[in-house]
Amino acid sequence: GAVVSQHPSWVICKSGTSVKIECRSLDFQATTMFWYRQFPKQSLMLMATSNEGSKATYEQGVEKDKFLINHASLTLSTLTVTSAHPEDSSFYICSATPRTRNYDEQFFGPGTRLTVL
Amino acid sequence: AQSVTQLDSQVPVFEEAPVELRCNYSSSVSVYLFWYVQYPNQGLQLLLKYLSGSTLVESINGFEAEFNKSQTSFHLRKPSVHISDTAEYFCAVSRAQKLVFGQGTRLTINP
Repeated sequence: GAVVSQHPSWVICKSGTSVKIECRSLDFQATTMFWYRQFPKQSLMLMATSNEGSKATYEQGVEKDKFLINHASLTLSTLTVTSAHPEDSSFYICSATPRTRNYDEQFFGPGTRLTVL
Repeated sequence: AQSVTQLDSQVPVFEEAPVELRCNYSSSVSVYLFWYVQYPNQGLQLLLKYLSGSTLVESINGFEAEFNKSQTSFHLRKPSVHISDTAEYFCAVSRAQKLVFGQGTRLTINP
């Protein structure tokens, strides 16, 4: 149980275009979903926290107008990278916390590798 | 603020040798502690967690970690590693739903 999927697993786009990444909790309802960014050989950096039906909370230094997060339901959150540039190329990972858990465990998706040309 | 320090960025060991991956955290309040493993080009998988109770926690694949409050450590150990254990390992501390990760330790197993 507690499986999280991401789509697509990899994407290549041209500079200036927008890219949407989906994160789904397949067998549970998620009260909260998180979006992380990971550069090569580095740790995960939290970008934002989203709760279903409310606006996402962005970490300091993350541009909310560039990284649009929509948490439309208890099983789906999307991250849209708007007007992507080569420096946005990275590995994006989402995670979700089941609403039935009483502690802070996050289940991670497999990640999406974004390459901006 | 909480922080997590993984003292070794890389740990090379021979197959069937024991290994310890070190993790120290700083927090003035009670925390939950986690170890995650990341295989190449994949997301993170939970290896084990400490929430409360027994300070020694074990995973199903032979890893264990011991919570040491006085030393603020949560080191990961395995008595005999396998080639398939080659991966990146992340220690993390949780507070108010957010996870703070250490820098990661790359475990390389040599035959």
